[in-house]
Amino acid sequence: DGGITQSPKYLFRKEGQNVTLSCEQNLNHDAMYWYRQDPGQGLRLIYYSQIVNDFQKGDIAEGYSVSREKKESFPLTVTSAQKNPTAFYLCASSMSGGSSYEQYFGPGTRLTVT
Amino acid sequence: DAKTTQPNSMESNEEEPVHLPCNHSTISGTDYIHWYRQLPSQGPEYVIHGLTSNVNNRMASLAIAEDRKSSTLILHRATLRDAAVYYCILRGFTSGTYKYIFGTGTRLKVLA
Repeated sequence: DGGITQSPKYLFRKEGQNVTLSCEQNLNHDAMYWYRQDPGQGLRLIYYSQIVNDFQKGDIAEGYSVSREKKESFPLTVTSAQKNPTAFYLCASSMSGGSSYEQYFGPGTRLTVT
Repeated sequence: DAKTTQPNSMESNEEEPVHLPCNHSTISGTDYIHWYRQLPSQGPEYVIHGLTSNVNNRMASLAIAEDRKSSTLILHRATLRDAAVYYCILRGFTSGTYKYIFGTGTRLKVLA
């Protein structure tokens, strides 16, 4: 089955700890994205990558970091600098970063920091 | 930045058509209009997208106004499985970067 996997589904961390969220795709897509969703809100773009070894900041990149060493993988690290990290995190991919391409989303990771 | 405006919620009876509106008065000439829907605690699912002309696929139809400042997602026969939050999104290339701008969406309730 082709698709996007995110793990784990639920993640709990203590304040002050860095945490890395996994995102893998086997769709052979060039572009990958990370979004954050807060309760009752829409999605906000954190980072995106149009090609391996390249990524750009989205609207809310502060306190987050990413890497894109392999085409199929785009991990997101939530650092201790992120003021309010508790949220639902969604990874997506598209064939290309162009405007006409639809995105495919993973099932999400719900992060709770206490 | 371009924005989209949608009603917070709508209701429809099962097996009736549903028209979900979206205003995007600040759309630029190269922005695509995308629609996604999201069930609780799941990732969004692609529905349809278009640029200028009306579009049809197996899930829905997209009607785009001639001036492109608004669009309407049409579900021809709503089913209970269509109950979700529907997002109208502008996808464009601005200042050297691609952007996806999600609004807060319309929560569609389908009544049996």
